[in-house]
Amino acid sequence: KNEVEQSPQNLTAQEGEFITINCSYSVGISALHWLQQHPGGGIVSLFMLSSGKKKHGRLIATINIQEKHSSLHITASHPRDSAVYICALLQGAQKLVFGQGTRLTINP
Amino acid sequence: DADVTQTPRNRITKTGKRIMLECSQTKGHDRMYWYRQDPGLGLRLIYYSFDVKDINKGEISDGYSVSRQAQAKFSLSLESAIPNQTALYFCATSVLAEETQYFGPGTRLLVL
Repeated sequence: KNEVEQSPQNLTAQEGEFITINCSYSVGISALHWLQQHPGGGIVSLFMLSSGKKKHGRLIATINIQEKHSSLHITASHPRDSAVYICALLQGAQKLVFGQGTRLTINP
Repeated sequence: DADVTQTPRNRITKTGKRIMLECSQTKGHDRMYWYRQDPGLGLRLIYYSFDVKDINKGEISDGYSVSRQAQAKFSLSLESAIPNQTALYFCATSVLAEETQYFGPGTRLLVL
């Protein structure tokens, strides 16, 4: 069983829709990262969470430590949000364990 | 200019060849990492370094070696490349493990 599972694996939506990507994990963590991988391959860190909720522009990330679950939400989605979104667990001092990613496509 | 750079960006090599991938950063970060990404799999940690004198194996270090030549430079070597090392390789840096990691643009490696 993978330590981190993302759902859905693929998501296609229309511009303007509210998007939710989920990340569930089965191990203890010190923090959780959400990353965005652009179609060209570059990876950008969006959020690092250890509790509660963070917001940056149209992106919102939440985490429930007790339920071992995190969600990434995108409001008013736009075609430029099309990317792969990756959840990564921080275990201990340095080890990041990555989910397989969710491929998001936003159609105009 | 990019804060984390990787060279080369693309490389095709033959089985058995030695190859080096280089990573440089201008962020002044102490911690540097090498990951590989394969289709259908998440990123996996190959090696990491917390400072110039510190090198640690990651999840999949077999077949790889690294060198931390300076705070700003961290190189990954494949001593004798094999086809299942075909992948996308990323370098990353951070200040503290719990802080944001900054990724390079990636190196696409094909081993024939």
